[in-house]
Amino acid sequence: AQKITQTQPGMFVQEKEAVTLDCTYDTSDPSYGLFWYKQPSSGEMIFLIYQGSYDQQNATEGRYSLNFQKARKSANLVISASQLGDSAMYFCARSNFGNEKLTFGTGTRLTIIP
Amino acid sequence: GAGVSQSPSNKVTEKGKDVELRCDPISGHTALYWYRQRLGQGLEFLIYFQGNSAPDKSGLPSDRFSAERTGESVSTLTIQRTQQEDSAVYLCASSPPRQGGEKLFFGSGTQLSVL
Repeated sequence: AQKITQTQPGMFVQEKEAVTLDCTYDTSDPSYGLFWYKQPSSGEMIFLIYQGSYDQQNATEGRYSLNFQKARKSANLVISASQLGDSAMYFCARSNFGNEKLTFGTGTRLTIIP
Repeated sequence: GAGVSQSPSNKVTEKGKDVELRCDPISGHTALYWYRQRLGQGLEFLIYFQGNSAPDKSGLPSDRFSAERTGESVSTLTIQRTQQEDSAVYLCASSPPRQGGEKLFFGSGTQLSVL
């Protein structure tokens, strides 16, 4: 199985600091997409950011950026200037072009400390 | 509606009973997915529908699980003879026609509790 690995089950970060959530993946496919989703305690899944395997630049969406290192098969999420509302579970996911089903990692629980 | 709608939001059932979970995707979205999330865990893929293609059922954990979809509209996930290990949140998601790298839009889920 082509796995998504998130090695940090939980993280505590001081408010206003930047935080990096790790994600590595297995794939033998040349074309794939990488996603990050946020799941607050309410349970909804909120899309944050997407990176295509052929994209030349790292994706950015507001305070979110994706540190994509293709050779290392890593797609870490960076949240700048963290806020209390960032406290949630964060899931990394991958899809292969031609088969859009997402494979998710086990998630990282991020807690922002005031 | 504006988003993916799932019903019921909560379902409590007795072991051995059958349950049906419903998902209304976003209008125009050709792809529909079912995922399962056990307490404190990640999302487990169950089944994927894309337009009129044969569904990808590779994630269904047993033959007690089945899903139907009417065209590009409503989907129902049926669990027969429920077991306690079926207790989880069942999440439905949809995405627009394939352009590569579409994000999934998730519903709020159905919390299933099997007693």
